[in-house]
Amino acid sequence: KQEVTQIPAALSVPEGENLVLNCSFTDSAIYNLQWFRQDPGKGLTSLLLIQSSQREQTSGRLNASLDKSSGRSTLYIAASQPGDSATYLCAVTVGNTPLVFGKGTRLSVIA
Amino acid sequence: GAVVSQHPSRVICKSGTSVKIECRSLDFQATTMFWYRQFPKQSLMLMATSNEGSKATYEQGVEKDKFLINHASLTLSTLTVTSAHPEDSSFYICSAFLDRGPEAFFGQGTRLTVV
Repeated sequence: KQEVTQIPAALSVPEGENLVLNCSFTDSAIYNLQWFRQDPGKGLTSLLLIQSSQREQTSGRLNASLDKSSGRSTLYIAASQPGDSATYLCAVTVGNTPLVFGKGTRLSVIA
Repeated sequence: GAVVSQHPSRVICKSGTSVKIECRSLDFQATTMFWYRQFPKQSLMLMATSNEGSKATYEQGVEKDKFLINHASLTLSTLTVTSAHPEDSSFYICSAFLDRGPEAFFGQGTRLTVV
């Protein structure tokens, strides 16, 4: 059974810092890995999708990497801003099966 | 990007009543949609897979008679919480893949409070 773990559970950083969020999964036979952002009481916003044949994806200040063999992904946020404060969720899937989520990392960026 | 719309975003109901939550794919057809439940500070847990034109597939431990799912068209799935109780209070959220994948899109979620 696939399990997804995210470390740390919570993180507080001063504005402007670069930071890394970690995600690990137990079964490396994944098709896709997706990073989401969730604001309190809100739905999920897709940030980056990495397909199994890819190693990384970039969008603006965000960069996500994928190492399938080791079962790990990282989300790098450059020059963090208070508006980046949210919970970041990592999820994996095999084909179009339902996503399996980690518990998320709650990020607070302090101005 | 693709949009999944969920309604209502927030509902308060009395214990014993039923509540219907709608999930629509606005600009694409979704033969399959997924319903998740999220407790405070917890991750999303899959409840069921909604299949257009056929019965939903429920995860272990989810009562199918309590959480009724109907996927009557390629753009609409509904989740009805029947005879709601305070322990059903949670955040419910639906998801669909655009054109069978690979990217999943989520609705805005529904905060259900049963009093």
